[in-house]
Amino acid sequence: EVQLVESGGGLVKPGGSLRLSCAASGFTFSTYAMNWVRQAPGKGLEWVSSTTSSSAYIFYADSVKGRFTISRDNAKNSLYLQMNSLRAEDTAVYYCARVRGSGSLDAFDIWGQGTMVTVSS
Amino acid sequence: DIQMTQSPSTLSASVGDRVTITCRASQSINNWLAWYQQKPGTAPKLLIYKASSLESEVPSRFSGSGSGTEFTLTISSLQPDDFATYYCQQYSSYSQTFGQGTKVEI
Repeated sequence: EVQLVESGGGLVKPGGSLRLSCAASGFTFSTYAMNWVRQAPGKGLEWVSSTTSSSAYIFYADSVKGRFTISRDNAKNSLYLQMNSLRAEDTAVYYCARVRGSGSLDAFDIWGQGTMVTVSS
Repeated sequence: DIQMTQSPSTLSASVGDRVTITCRASQSINNWLAWYQQKPGTAPKLLIYKASSLESEVPSRFSGSGSGTEFTLTISSLQPDDFATYYCQQYSSYSQTFGQGTKVEI
């Protein structure tokens, strides 16, 4: 079964750090571009960051640039999001999502179940 | 960044109704548009990609159309399982953006 499973969410104080993980299974992870997307409570979807299959190209939303770092370990079939200098407005469910097909820009066909990040003192 | 605007924000409908949701882009995105369905507490599900291509195993009552800056998602005959929130997404650039969502309710 093709699956993405996020972990690492939790409660963190403003200014703190957190590292999210996304474990992939059921497909050849190393050949797919991957993304992080977040959703604040009661709000819509916001794209956060993208990485191509080989990590050659990485992109960030302006709202997280300089604070968040996306990375992947193709040997471990895993995607990561290192989040530093966290703010209250970063509170959201964070989803990892696979880009469909072999390209780096396409729709997101597989999503994880999400992991909740709460930034509060 | 390209802005995506959906209308309406909320739509009240009945089982069997034909439903249309519109998504407008602030500049041309060719046909690099996807539609997703999301139910409360669950992850989004891909319905349509490349504006009009139906994702595998998605019922044929869902269809997408449009190109350039104006796009529509149509549900030909609304079913009980279709009450959810729908999002469009442009992926014409790496700074991808979603619409604000359309909630389809009874």
